Parts: sequence; structure tokens; C-alpha cells
Amino acid sequence: ETGVTQTPRHLVMGMTNKKSLKCEQHLGHNAMYWYKQSAKKPLELMFVYSLEERVENNSVPSRFSPECPNSSHLFLHLHTLQPEDSALYLCASSQEDTPTYEQYFGPGTRLTVT
Amino acid sequence: TQLLEQSPQFLSIQEGENLTVYCNSSSVFSSLQWYRQEPGEGPVLLVTVVTGGEVKKLKRLTFQFGDARKDSSLHITAAQPGDTGLYLCAGQPHSGSRLTFGEGTQLTVNP
Repeated sequence: ETGVTQTPRHLVMGMTNKKSLKCEQHLGHNAMYWYKQSAKKPLELMFVYSLEERVENNSVPSRFSPECPNSSHLFLHLHTLQPEDSALYLCASSQEDTPTYEQYFGPGTRLTVT
Repeated sequence: TQLLEQSPQFLSIQEGENLTVYCNSSSVFSSLQWYRQEPGEGPVLLVTVVTGGEVKKLKRLTFQFGDARKDSSLHITAAQPGDTGLYLCAGQPHSGSRLTFGEGTQLTVNP
């Protein structure tokens, strides 16, 4: 138990569906992240929220839309996804007033786009 | 983007054997972190190294940061099936910057 929870753990959706991934951190951290993990690729940082403000958006397609309503919650809204978006989506949190930004990850949502 | 290369990509060994996995880059990193990811879970932080030449031990795991802060190694002594997982290294180009992750080494320890 790392203090970061994600729901759902598994999601199958069609290309025309709209769904949302949810993340909650119980660690009191001030930053939250979305990563994409695909087979045989390094973890890809998608979005970063620091003090509830989006500070990084790494050229992610607009079909992925993040939302951070407060420092403990993070959402990733999905719409009109493509099959190549199938992957494990990991949420993480960290304390960004420490120098090393150590990441605390949730268990991930395994997304399959059909 | 500073790249981290991990080797080997896959490693399958018998219980009780020793092993070393590597994380290399042509760039200098301010710090380097190692994570282990078990099947169906997210990565879990094992250690952070920040000083060139630093060695840290975590039970049967020994982590070393290269003198030039461009590479790192993880040595496991007397591996156990519970060590099975994906080992990821992550480097920080400078203090306070975002992490760059390697592709990982998938370790399987057979009973």
C-alpha cells in the first residue's frame, strides 16, 4: 500500500466511449502525475500538476484531458481513444519541495481500447 | 531528453544465484532512483543515490552510483522468487527536475 489509489483497475472501452480514470493520494504531497506505461517503452510522463496547477503537458493528444480539483485528487478524462492508447496508466504523487522528486505510484489502470 | 539504457532487458535465474543489472547514460544526473514493479502493481521506490561513487544497501540489494554520475548498478545476492519484477531506474538531470525513466530489466527468479 503506497498511499496512492486508482480506480478502476481495469477498463475496456470502445473508440467512441467517454470514461474517466481516478486517482487519490493520502500522503499529503503537493504534486500529482499521470504516466503511460506501454510494453517495451520507458514510462512516459503525460501531465504534472503542482499545487493544483498544470505545470507540464508533454505533447499529449487532446483526447486525454486531465483534471485536478484539489491536491489529493487527479482525474484523466478519456474520449475517442485509439487502439494504440491501450496501456497501463499510472498515477503518482511526490513532494516537489524536496530536491529528488521521489515518486509514489498507484497500482495503475489497465486500459484496453477496442 | 537524457536517455537511460538498462541492461539486460530480461534476466531469468535460479533461486540463490547472484545478479547485477545496469543503468547507463551518456549524460550526468543529479540523482538516480531505482524502483521495482511487481505484476499488476505500480513501481515502488527502492533507493535514491545522489553522490558519485555512493553505495547503498537494502538487505540483499546493493546499489551503486557511478563516480561520474552517469551510470548505476543494482546487485542482488542470493536472489529469491520474491525478487521477481521489473526493475526501473530513473534519473534526474538536475536537482528539482522531472525524472527520466529507463525501459527496465524484467527479472524472473525461479524456485
